[in-house]
Amino acid sequence: GENVEQHPSTLSVQEGDSAVIKCTYSDSASNYFPWYKQELGKRPQLIIDIRSNVGEKKDQRIAVTLNKTAKHFSLHITETQPEDSAVYFCAAGYNNDMRFGAGTRLTVKP
Amino acid sequence: KAGVTQTPRYLIKTRGQQVTLSCSPISGHRSVSWYQQTPGQGLQFLFEYFSETQRNKGNFPGRFSGRQFSNSRSEMNVSTLELGDSALYLCASSLFGTAHEKLFFGSGTQLSVL
Repeated sequence: GENVEQHPSTLSVQEGDSAVIKCTYSDSASNYFPWYKQELGKRPQLIIDIRSNVGEKKDQRIAVTLNKTAKHFSLHITETQPEDSAVYFCAAGYNNDMRFGAGTRLTVKP
Repeated sequence: KAGVTQTPRYLIKTRGQQVTLSCSPISGHRSVSWYQQTPGQGLQFLFEYFSETQRNKGNFPGRFSGRQFSNSRSEMNVSTLELGDSALYLCASSLFGTAHEKLFFGSGTQLSVL
């Protein structure tokens, strides 16, 4: 089955800096790559997703890039703000199956 | 539109007992997935149901089971509880026929096994 690895496990940045979180997946059949944000004590929420036929997608300050050949994808957050502090999960999905990475705890220092 | 509702919010059980968790998906969502969340382990996939049929199952022992009713509500059961079963159990529903897309999560049931 699919295996998703996520790095780093923790990330601390200064407000206004950029943050990058990277994930690799094992199953080349995976065709859907979402990112979820989970604030402390809250449920995970979808923030952006990308399909395998697209190399990059942007939504305001966040962007996701996908390299199918290397089987890795990344989340980029620019101009970070304290409210970006949360745990971010990447995932890879195919055929009704979704597997998540272990998560990255992002801390944005004011 | 109501979100995904999970009950109960907290549970405390002792080893050897069994427990049943409930999940009501967003109206119109027919796919329900269950995940176990523990610190440092991320979200581990348990199983997924669509139209009362289990379509996928993760790598969990047979003590973990589930079902889905005709109204799409789902239940998860864990028998013979072990200390290691202590975790936050999240369910998620999806509007799409493909269960892995655009998941909406519930707030979870925090299970503590003593």
